[in-house]
Amino acid sequence: QSVLTQPPSASGTPGQRVTISCSGSSSNIGINAVNWYQQLPGAAPRLLICCDNQGPSGVPDRFSGSKSGTSASLAISGLQSEDEADYYCAAWDDSLNAMVFGGGTKLTVL
Amino acid sequence: EVQLVESGGGLVQPGGSLRLSCAASGFTFSDHYMDWVRQPPGKGLEWVGRIRNRANSYTTDYAASVKGRFTISRDDSKNSVSLQMNSLKTEDTAVYYCTRVHSGGFKYLQHWGQGTLVTVSS
Repeated sequence: QSVLTQPPSASGTPGQRVTISCSGSSSNIGINAVNWYQQLPGAAPRLLICCDNQGPSGVPDRFSGSKSGTSASLAISGLQSEDEADYYCAAWDDSLNAMVFGGGTKLTVL
Repeated sequence: EVQLVESGGGLVQPGGSLRLSCAASGFTFSDHYMDWVRQPPGKGLEWVGRIRNRANSYTTDYAASVKGRFTISRDDSKNSVSLQMNSLKTEDTAVYYCTRVHSGGFKYLQHWGQGTLVTVSS
C-alpha cells in the first residue's frame, strides 16, 4: 500500500490529452513539492516534472504538472506512442521523514 | 555528463549481507545529497534512504522497511556512495538505483544510475 495513491493504469489514443492523478495528505503533497518520474520499458526511471510544475530541460512541453491541496496531476497532451511508460509521483513526507512514491500508473497508447 | 554507476549486486541468502557501491562522475559530488531507490521485479519504486552532504553533517534517513538493517555511507574523496545491507530478507530482492539529489531548495531525484539487481534467495 503506497502512501501516495495513483490509478494503476491509464490509456489514450495518439494526439489525445491524458491526465494521471496522485493523491496524498497534509504531511506530504500538502506541504512539499511533487515530482514525477517516467520509466520507459526496460529502462531506469528519469525525472519528468519537478517542483510541482517544472519541466527539466530536454523534457517536451507536452508534459505538465499541477497541484491543488493534497493532490497533484500529470498531464500529457498530444499523446505519442513513445509516451507509453510507467509514471510515478513522489514527495517528501514530513511525518515519516522519508520520500514517498505513488504505486505507479502504466500508460498505454492505443 | 553526470554518470552514476552501481555495482555489487548479486545473489545472497536470507540473513546474509551485501554491499552496493555507486561511482559518481561529471559533477561536484561533495555538494549533493545521494539517495538509494529500489524496485522489486514487476513492482513500483520504493525509496530506501538518503545521505546528506558535509554541510548537513552527512546525516542519513531511511525507509522504515530497512531502518536498522541498511546503512548508507559516502566517501567524497572517491566520489562514491555505498549501501551496506545486513540481515537481508527475500522481500529485499529488487533492482537498486543510486540517485543524485538536486542541490537547490527543491530536493528531487535529478539523475539515476542504471541499477544493480540484488536477489535474496536460498
